[in-house]
Amino acid sequence: GQQLNQSPQSMFIQEGEDVSMNCTSSSIFNTWLWYKQDPGEGPVLLIALYKAGELTSNGRLTAQFGITRKDSFLNISASIPSDVGIYFCAGQLNSNYQLIWGAGTKLIIKP
Amino acid sequence: DAGITQSPRHKVTETGTPVTLRCHQTENHRYMYWYRQDPGHGLRLIHYSYGVKDTDKGEVSDGYSVSRSKTEDFLLTLESATSSQTSVYFCAISQTSGRVQETQYFGPGTRLLVL
Repeated sequence: GQQLNQSPQSMFIQEGEDVSMNCTSSSIFNTWLWYKQDPGEGPVLLIALYKAGELTSNGRLTAQFGITRKDSFLNISASIPSDVGIYFCAGQLNSNYQLIWGAGTKLIIKP
Repeated sequence: DAGITQSPRHKVTETGTPVTLRCHQTENHRYMYWYRQDPGHGLRLIHYSYGVKDTDKGEVSDGYSVSRSKTEDFLLTLESATSSQTSVYFCAISQTSGRVQETQYFGPGTRLLVL
């Protein structure tokens, strides 16, 4: 089946640092979505991207839809403790309404 | 928050028993989905529904069946639970808008342990 490669798998960072993660695929996507999941809860949408090259911000979060339509990036600036969690990318193929999900990036803030 | 509830939130069952999980929405969204989440795999689609009595298989549908008799309810059934079906199950909903799918909103999840 289709796959998204999300990296890194986990990140250990200091509070205040910037964070970058990305998703890549061999397939072309119509839509890229970034979600965050806190322990014991369902994923919550952070940013949705609908056009190649699109750059969208949500507070300290910025995501970009790659111009090849095969990748997407999420940046978090000046991380804070509540940023801890698992971040997922998801992409929608042209052919149907299903989403293809990355395996997640676990963000851990070092004390 | 989107009005999505899942029941039960936690369940322990024995191998070979049938199990039904319920997803209920109050948003009148057309699409509903069942995912399972396992470490290292992210979210994997089990089945989805695009309307009342209209369902289709996802990536990991073997061993699962679904039913949608009303817009607001989507049921996931494990006909004969196996230990490999121990997982966290999430329901999601979305509305479509032309060719671009609207955001999927997720329920709180059901933790299922099959002994």
